[in-house]
Formats: sequence, C-alpha cells, structure tokens
Amino acid sequence: GENVEQHPSTLSVQEGDSAVIKCTYSDSASNYFPWYKQELGKGPQLIIDIRSNVGEKKDQRIAVTLNKTAKHFSLHITETQPEDSAVYFCAANKAAGNKLTFGGGTRVLVKP
Amino acid sequence: DAGVIQSPRHEVTEMGQEVTLRCKPISGHNSLFWYRQTMMRGLELLIYFNNNVPIDDSGMPEDRFSAKMPNASFSTLKIQPSEPRDSAVYFCASSLSRGELFFGSGTQLSVL
Repeated sequence: GENVEQHPSTLSVQEGDSAVIKCTYSDSASNYFPWYKQELGKGPQLIIDIRSNVGEKKDQRIAVTLNKTAKHFSLHITETQPEDSAVYFCAANKAAGNKLTFGGGTRVLVKP
Repeated sequence: DAGVIQSPRHEVTEMGQEVTLRCKPISGHNSLFWYRQTMMRGLELLIYFNNNVPIDDSGMPEDRFSAKMPNASFSTLKIQPSEPRDSAVYFCASSLSRGELFFGSGTQLSVL
C-alpha cells in the first residue's frame, strides 16, 4: 500500500516569513495529492490539491509543487500570518477522495 | 449546508462499555469515511462506504469495531467492548464521487 512521509513534524516561523513542508510517497501509481489544514478542535480542511499532470499550483499565498520522478511534493506558504498556525497534512492516492493515505502532519507556529 | 455532523463531540466511558459514534454526511454526498486520529498513528482510515455499501474495512482494528450505513444520511461506528487503547478522536468525512473530502468536527473518545 501507499506510504507517505512528511517533514518536518514541527515548524516555527516569524510572521511574514515563508514556510515549506515536504512529503514523499511510495506508490508511483498515486496521482492525487491534497493538503489539509487542521485547526484546534476541528476536522481537517482541504486547502489545495494537485494532480499528477501538473507540476505546480498556486492559490494566493499557498502553492504546491510535485516531482513525480522523485515522488515528492511540497507545500509553500508565503507571507505567513498568525492564522496560518495549525497542523498541516499531506496525502496521496490514486483517485481523489478514495482511501487517502495521510502523512504524519506538521505543526506550524507563526510567531507575531 | 451544515457540513458533516458528528455526535457526540465528547464521550467518556469505562472499559468494557459499548460506544456508538454517529455521523450525518453532507446531503448528496455518496461516499462516507471513518478515520481515527491519535498522536502515535496520525490519521488512519478505518472504513469507507460508497452508496451506503462498505467498500474497504481493512483499517478496522479488530472485531470489536463495526460500522453501518443504513441510509444515505446516517452512519454509525460502534466499539464493543471498548478498551483504553481505543481512546482517540474519531472523524467522519464525506465526499461526492471521489471529490474533496469534507470532515466533521470529530468525536473525542476517552475510555477509562
């Protein structure tokens, strides 16, 4: 089955700096890579996703890059704000919404 | 739409007792997922349903766990008998045709 590794497990940045979270996956057949943000006391919420036919995708301050050859993908948050503080999860699967395998999560703290 | 609704939000029970967690998916969604979240194991998929039919229950830990989806608007996850190691946050999520997963707020289960 799929195995997703996520690094780092914790990340502390100053407000305004960038944050980068990296994930690797094992199954070369995976073609869907979403990122979820989980705030305290809530369920994870999709913030951005990318499919294998695209190398990069941006949505305002967040962007995701995918390297299928190396089997890794990354989340980039620019101009971080305190409200970006949360736990972020990467995931991978062969089809959207179907049996996603999640990484271990990254706790991001943005210091004002 | 109110989103995925889970109940109860918190459950404290004693070892050996039966626990039933409930979920109402988003209206119109045809896939429903039960996840368990712990510090040690992260987010684990327990079981998922498609059109009310269980598709993959390979993540269910053991026979003490069972899940049902009697109709498109309701699902239960039952643990009988419960054990302290079952303590975790249990999430229900739903999606439409393998699209984005929408998570509920979770049930915090503590088994004493």
